[in-house]
Amino acid sequence: QVQLVESGGGVVQSGRSLTLSCAASGFTFSTYGMHWVRQAPGKGLEWVAVISHDGSDIFYVDSVRGRFTISRDNSKNTLYLQVSSLRAEDTAVYLCAKALTYGAHVRDAFDIWGQGTMVTVSS
Amino acid sequence: EIVLTQSPGTLSLSPGERATLSCRASQSVSGSYLAWYQQKPGQAPRLLIYGASSRAAGISDRFSGSGSGTDFTLTISRLEPEDFAVYYCQQYGSSPFTFGPGTKVDIK
Repeated sequence: QVQLVESGGGVVQSGRSLTLSCAASGFTFSTYGMHWVRQAPGKGLEWVAVISHDGSDIFYVDSVRGRFTISRDNSKNTLYLQVSSLRAEDTAVYLCAKALTYGAHVRDAFDIWGQGTMVTVSS
Repeated sequence: EIVLTQSPGTLSLSPGERATLSCRASQSVSGSYLAWYQQKPGQAPRLLIYGASSRAAGISDRFSGSGSGTDFTLTISRLEPEDFAVYYCQQYGSSPFTFGPGTKVDIK
């Protein structure tokens, strides 16, 4: 079945870096845009970044631009998020999500979500 | 950045009642690129509505979306026990693809 599984989270000191992964299965990964969304403990959803199916279009929320890098390896069906210069406010569950429509522009709803990986930034 | 405001913050209703959730955008959402998601504790969000009014695959027809421009509504016609959850609207017409703060629908 269609599935997204995140990994790579953990406890990390402020200012350090981490790479999150999202392994996709059950669909043709290379034909869908992919997103990262985060959710701080007890809080709402915050969109973080998107990458188009071929990596040609990438956008970030202002609060992470220059510190986070989204990328993908279509040969490995895997999405990545490199998070660096981490701050306390980056503490959250990071979820990856699949765009609804095949080959669509990055402007698309998210129909499949992973369960997330927790990143805790300690001082 | 388009800011989304959802109201009410909490909606206390009984099973069988009708729920009406509002989402207002700070500027017009292009192409009616507005989605609604349901999230239950400890679970990932689930897509309910996209394009303001199109139901996602497998979603009950008790859920309906409407609106355009800056004002959007999610209606749950008759609440079932499994519908008590938090609902988020999201615009994906322009980056950043912002979410609203959510409306919690709880049991009265």
